Amino acid sequence: NAGVMQNPRHLVRRRGQEARLRCSPVKGHSHVYWYRQLPEEGLKFMVYLQKENIIDESGMPKERFSAEFPKEGPSILRIQQVVRGDSAAYFCASSHSTGISNSPLHFGNGTRLTVT
Amino acid sequence: AQTVTQSQPEMSVQEAETVTLSCTYDTSESDYYLFWYKQPPSRQMILVIRQEAYKQQNATENRFSVNFQKAAKSFSLKISDSQLGDAAMYFCAYHGSNNFGNEKLTFGTGTRLTIIP
Repeated sequence: NAGVMQNPRHLVRRRGQEARLRCSPVKGHSHVYWYRQLPEEGLKFMVYLQKENIIDESGMPKERFSAEFPKEGPSILRIQQVVRGDSAAYFCASSHSTGISNSPLHFGNGTRLTVT
Repeated sequence: AQTVTQSQPEMSVQEAETVTLSCTYDTSESDYYLFWYKQPPSRQMILVIRQEAYKQQNATENRFSVNFQKAAKSFSLKISDSQLGDAAMYFCAYHGSNNFGNEKLTFGTGTRLTIIP
């Protein structure tokens, strides 16, 4: 069984470019979460999506960041006009159903974004 | 808002010895879950152990156990018989009852554990 797949593993962008990070959840999982990890810090929640719906985006910056989880295909985290402060590791996690007691989160290996 | 505090940025332990990593949290909720995650250099987030707040018994997974003190809002991780493969960043995380239906976690800043051969 494949786990959560994130690609690319490393992404380098120049300031002002766009970054697109992809996440394929565990097969059968319909809940996706994105987290950001700045250097030497813990993971910070960004957004929670179910198929075709954004459920909680309370951790997303108001500008330049967007996320989607279409009916078909991977979830995409999109960062427009990247700045150096966007450099971080971005993690995706998925679960099968609501309620941690029933369905713990499965994490991907993250995408490390470097903005030069 | 809930907060999770890990006051030990770095810890080291001799191989085969026991080490305890500290975690405290702040919450007004009575029902919640607590977790320890391990992050090796590969960056993968690996669930080590979890504790339901309504359970008085401390969770145990092989060499890993927790000391859950609900009144003190403390959730420490004990690693017995430390092995070289235990070297990693360890993150404490919280999930609250107000978030049931939404599995978002609040993480601490982590403790880097070094195993000395």
